[in-house]
Amino acid sequence: DAGVIQSPRHEVTEMGQEVTLRCKPISGHDYLFWYRQTMMRGLELLIYFNNNVPIDDSGMPEDRFSAKMPNASFSTLKIQPSEPRDSAVYFCASRLTNTGELFFGEGSRLTVL
Amino acid sequence: SQQGEEDPQALSIQEGENATMNCSYKTSINNLQWYRQNSGRGLVHLILIRSNEREKHSGRLRVTLDTSKKSSSLLITASRAADTASYFCAVAGGTSYGKLTFGQGTILTVHP
Repeated sequence: DAGVIQSPRHEVTEMGQEVTLRCKPISGHDYLFWYRQTMMRGLELLIYFNNNVPIDDSGMPEDRFSAKMPNASFSTLKIQPSEPRDSAVYFCASRLTNTGELFFGEGSRLTVL
Repeated sequence: SQQGEEDPQALSIQEGENATMNCSYKTSINNLQWYRQNSGRGLVHLILIRSNEREKHSGRLRVTLDTSKKSSSLLITASRAADTASYFCAVAGGTSYGKLTFGQGTILTVHP
């Protein structure tokens, strides 16, 4: 299996622009997670899905952030409008069972100028 | 917060030495997991220990769990330069066993 695939790997944008990050989980995995990593705050869980349904979105910073999972093989994290404080590495991860190990993608490094 | 907290924040050792990292957490857990992250890469799962287990081994890794003290330790024996990375503990528990929250990590540097 190719593992969790994220795109783009790097994104540089200007404040106010819309950013869309994409994730393809491992086939057959029923859980998908979005994390954000910064030096100051470490790894923060933003949202996670089970069978394409959002289970917990309490980590989503504010209304500018939205996440969707239209089918089992694709998820998006959208930021609109983006702000410099959104600069971070965004990771997508998937897993097979409710309490098993997570498989991470390589991350999308976002820089908002 | 359920988040695990690692100690120390940074550890520098020589090749061949053992490295021990500790993790503490606050509420009941279903399991505790350790992950490794090389610079610029995603996290990679190392080992999972369930709440009813006390010790687990995987190659040069040894993990212990003390639920009475709400703490875990990761021991890497006979370290190698290639072990240089950040190591994170993650806990699944509290009100939602499905939710995995990570600590701030320990940066391990192994000098050749």
